[in-house]
Amino acid sequence: DAGVTQSPTHLIKTRGQQVTLRCSPKSGHDTVSWYQQALGQGPQFIFQYYEEEERQRGNFPDRFSGHQFPNYSSELNVNALLLGDSALYLCASSLVGGGADEQFFGPGTRLTVL
Amino acid sequence: DAKTTQPNSMESNEEEPVHLPCNHSTISGTDYIHWYRQLPSQGPEYVIHGLTSNVNNRMASLAIAEDRKSSTLILHRATLRDAAVYYCILRKAGGTSYGKLTFGQGTILTVHP
Repeated sequence: DAGVTQSPTHLIKTRGQQVTLRCSPKSGHDTVSWYQQALGQGPQFIFQYYEEEERQRGNFPDRFSGHQFPNYSSELNVNALLLGDSALYLCASSLVGGGADEQFFGPGTRLTVL
Repeated sequence: DAKTTQPNSMESNEEEPVHLPCNHSTISGTDYIHWYRQLPSQGPEYVIHGLTSNVNNRMASLAIAEDRKSSTLILHRATLRDAAVYYCILRKAGGTSYGKLTFGQGTILTVHP
């Protein structure tokens, strides 16, 4: 059973550019959450998608947007990149109503903004 | 959101028990206590969670104080693979996966051979 997968693994962009990160949830999961983890910090919640809609959002500007597809996979888009957007971006999947109530994380995408 | 306080770092020797403390004095009655850990160069992984009673699973045990203002994650026999950052997180009850995980700084656990 494949767990959560993310692509690409690493990415280098320059300030002002736009980036799209991709996530495939664990098989059977229908909810995807995105987190940003700066170096030496804990992950910070960006937003969560369920049934192709954004259900909850953290304290991130509108430059951060997302999408969920009918097959439950998801994309995170960041526009007008800033140096401070350099971080590890983590995707987590879960199942609404799942008894264990745990989120399964992918290995992340390391974004470097120059 | 209720906050958690954890020591910045702890050390242990291999094959010895490890007790990782977490204080959450402002916990509400509907908050579950979750623990995740993050191994080097990996995403976080779920360890255990509980509400009021102590919990055991194949990875660890969770001991919750009677007043629920603190909890302790117990690794019964630490291995080198247990070296990670351990996060104690409070999460609202609801029986669903709805809602975010609010990570703090966590505790860096070092395991010595």
